[in-house]
Amino acid sequence: TQLLEQSPQFLSIQEGENLTVYCNSSSVFSSLQWYRQEPGEGPVLLVTVVTGGEVKKLKRLTFQFGDARKDSSLHITAAQPGDTGLYLCAGARTGNQFYFGTGTSLTVIP
Amino acid sequence: ETGVTQTPRHLVMGMTNKKSLKCEQHLGHNAMYWYKQSAKKPLELMFVYSLEERVENNSVPSRFSPECPNSSHLFLHLHTLQPEDSALYLCASSQDRTVSGNTIYFGEGSWLTVV
Repeated sequence: TQLLEQSPQFLSIQEGENLTVYCNSSSVFSSLQWYRQEPGEGPVLLVTVVTGGEVKKLKRLTFQFGDARKDSSLHITAAQPGDTGLYLCAGARTGNQFYFGTGTSLTVIP
Repeated sequence: ETGVTQTPRHLVMGMTNKKSLKCEQHLGHNAMYWYKQSAKKPLELMFVYSLEERVENNSVPSRFSPECPNSSHLFLHLHTLQPEDSALYLCASSQDRTVSGNTIYFGEGSWLTVV
């Protein structure tokens, strides 16, 4: 059973469009991270959210942690080809391991 | 540059070979991890070390043998692997396993192909 489910699994959009990726769980996490992974490379950390309801912005990317700290979303405005990659969410539970989501593979078509 | 360096980046080995993957972190972290990433599968945690002590082994076959000589270095020794072990092996580190708000940092990965 996967602790963190991401949706959609695959997403292909045109440059300039907006999109939202979701990361859902029935478990509570002390923090949640979002990573982007390009082919052949390791995941690179984008953001860490810690407080329920927290919203963080990174240029055109907006991250939100759910009020109950069970879910998160990533919204990209005006997507660009450079946003193409695998987006992974990961939840941390105090005293335990990190749990990774199933991943969302995003392709932005020029 | 994430502060976690893995070598080699690519490795091709036969099923009877013995090889090792190396990881080094320059972040002063206390915890280090090995993950396996296969095509179309979520990241699989293999081993966790905290202050050089193995604290987690997720039912990994004995043909994978980790070693953590100090808090900055982590190895994964490989012996008599199977073709299905071909994958991207990712090393990662974090400040501590128990701190709230803990964040994990990955290396670039070692692509392993078993022939």
